[in-house]
Amino acid sequence: DAKTTQPPSMDCAEGRAANLPCNHSTISGNEYVYWYRQIHSQGPQYIIHGLKNNETNEMASLIITEDRKSSTLILPHATLRDTAVYYCIVRVTNAGKSTFGDGTTLTVKP
Amino acid sequence: DAGVIQSPRHEVTEMGQEVTLRCKPISGHNSLFWYRQTMMRGLELLIYFNNNVPIDDSGMPEDRFSAKMPNASFSTLKIQPSEPRDSAVYFCASSLRADRGREKLFFGSGTQLSVL
Repeated sequence: DAKTTQPPSMDCAEGRAANLPCNHSTISGNEYVYWYRQIHSQGPQYIIHGLKNNETNEMASLIITEDRKSSTLILPHATLRDTAVYYCIVRVTNAGKSTFGDGTTLTVKP
Repeated sequence: DAGVIQSPRHEVTEMGQEVTLRCKPISGHNSLFWYRQTMMRGLELLIYFNNNVPIDDSGMPEDRFSAKMPNASFSTLKIQPSEPRDSAVYFCASSLRADRGREKLFFGSGTQLSVL
């Protein structure tokens, strides 16, 4: 699986958009980009994933650059409950392993 | 669905004792994963199963660790003998491996293990 690079921490004001970047410059053509988050003391929670196109669901939007070497997770209106560690993962198809890096600690402030 | 169920939530034991962690995956899921999380090493994949068969156990730290999945609805992770450095949160996750690359992992609440 390709390696990902994320900033260790970010702050965001409550109600504003949180934009979390992820670099995956060695991504292969068959690898998807997944995002998970882990709220303190809980198990990680799936947020969104994509291959090439931008994706949106009820939790977030995922913007993947045209060359697929980086992506951004967008939480459109961050709340205090969005404070968590956010993990960006890339993984090959048909493979079971998901390798978690250090992630980005997002702190949403009032 | 109740989600992935792990037991116990907390386990405190003494060095040298056997520890067994349990996991019930989401009904219908065919892949199961055991992860360990510590401050120093983050979230590490220990082993995963597909259709009850161990596929990759390269993350299992040593022979003291063993995992089984006797059927589709139950898995155990055993540590024998336990050591203080095994203290960590152990997570179980399951997924439905059906559509290529689209599997979502669903995690349990974890077992907080403390070995004294």
